[in-house]
Amino acid sequence: KQEVTQIPAALSVPEGENLVLNCSFTDSAIYNLQWFRQDPGKGLTSLLLIQSSQREQTSGRLNASLDKSSGRSTLYIAASQPGDSATYLCAVRGFGNEKLTFGTGTRLTIIP
Amino acid sequence: NAGVTQTPKFQVLKTGQSMTLQCAQDMNHEYMSWYRQDPGMGLRLIHYSVGAGITDQGEVPNGYNVSRSTTEDFPLRLLSAAPSQTSVYFCASRLGPGGSYEQYFGPGTRLTVT
Repeated sequence: KQEVTQIPAALSVPEGENLVLNCSFTDSAIYNLQWFRQDPGKGLTSLLLIQSSQREQTSGRLNASLDKSSGRSTLYIAASQPGDSATYLCAVRGFGNEKLTFGTGTRLTIIP
Repeated sequence: NAGVTQTPKFQVLKTGQSMTLQCAQDMNHEYMSWYRQDPGMGLRLIHYSVGAGITDQGEVPNGYNVSRSTTEDFPLRLLSAAPSQTSVYFCASRLGPGGSYEQYFGPGTRLTVT
């Protein structure tokens, strides 16, 4: 059974710093991995989708990498801003499977 | 596009009551899903649909029913609410075969069962 872990559960960093969020999964047979952000009391906003054949994806200040063989993905945020404060979730999709398996998220606080 | 919309935003039910959570999308997505989010747990799949008239169970389907009569709408029915169904419910959608697997989520319905 696929399990997704995100450590740490919470992270505080000063504004302007670059930071890395971690996601690990137990079964490397994944079709893709998606990163989301969730603001308090809100829905999930898709940030980046990485197919299993890809090593990384970039969108603006965000860069997500995928190492399937080690069961890890990282989300790199450059030059952090207070508006980046949110909970970041990663989710993996298996082959022939509509289910996304989610981690419990990392709550990020950027300190002005 | 409004994207994925859900109503109501908040709901309080008594044990044993029934209700329907509404979900609609205007992106012509074939695939739609319902997830629940509970503290300390990742989102879990309840039911999903791969097109009008086609639904299937997810990880935690007990106590919930779905149907899909149109491409746009995918309501979730609670048959007899229980306190264990207190949760935040999210509807999601994505393009069908040949399209992106990127999943889009609605704003959620916060349900409390007393």
